[in-house]
Amino acid sequence: DAGITQSPRHKVTETGTPVTLRCHQTENHRYMYWYRQDPGHGLRLIHYSYGVKDTDKGEVSDGYSVSRSKTEDFLLTLESATSSQTSVYFCAISTDRVEQYFGPGTRLTVT
Amino acid sequence: QKEVEQDPGPLSVPEGAIVSLNCTYSNSAFQYFMWYRQYSRKGPELLMYTYSSGNKEDGRFTAQVDKSSKYISLFIRDSQPSDSATYLCAMTALSGSARQLTFGSGTQLTVLP
Repeated sequence: DAGITQSPRHKVTETGTPVTLRCHQTENHRYMYWYRQDPGHGLRLIHYSYGVKDTDKGEVSDGYSVSRSKTEDFLLTLESATSSQTSVYFCAISTDRVEQYFGPGTRLTVT
Repeated sequence: QKEVEQDPGPLSVPEGAIVSLNCTYSNSAFQYFMWYRQYSRKGPELLMYTYSSGNKEDGRFTAQVDKSSKYISLFIRDSQPSDSATYLCAMTALSGSARQLTFGSGTQLTVLP
């Protein structure tokens, strides 16, 4: 998975609790992305980063925040998890080229 | 209407068949077109990408882009059971350094031995 790890790989949490997902890369790529994948919707971009402390919103950013304090780590936080955020979350990385490489994913269930 | 439409399948073919997977799109600004393969409970894996119109071949895989029709295809020759996966098309425009990919919803393919 292109030197990308995600943690945790599985998580079950209750509605209203905060959740943080971590993406770690060993490729020193500039760009990092968080996507969610839901049946019938494909992959949708939540947030992305174009450098340390440089982030921007994607298509479905409501209810999510991100932080990138080091090149290798990109954190996704659900401030107060809702059942609609039950999904599979993927991190991706890229250089200045167009190709994006994906991590193994985190399955999040909000009960 | 979604920007990228992809027939979800499922598509089931016998081993050795030629498989055709397709996507249509509405945004004429898209310039780069990609195909990802995703095995069950795994992350998407980039198969190949093309820039603008034309064909690109890589082994048993051929990607075609017809920008005039806003239509892209992935052909798999001599399909194998190991090709059984979900195939996602993705595309992006030139603007911006951080490439925001727009994905199709994926086509589930099963190749029967």
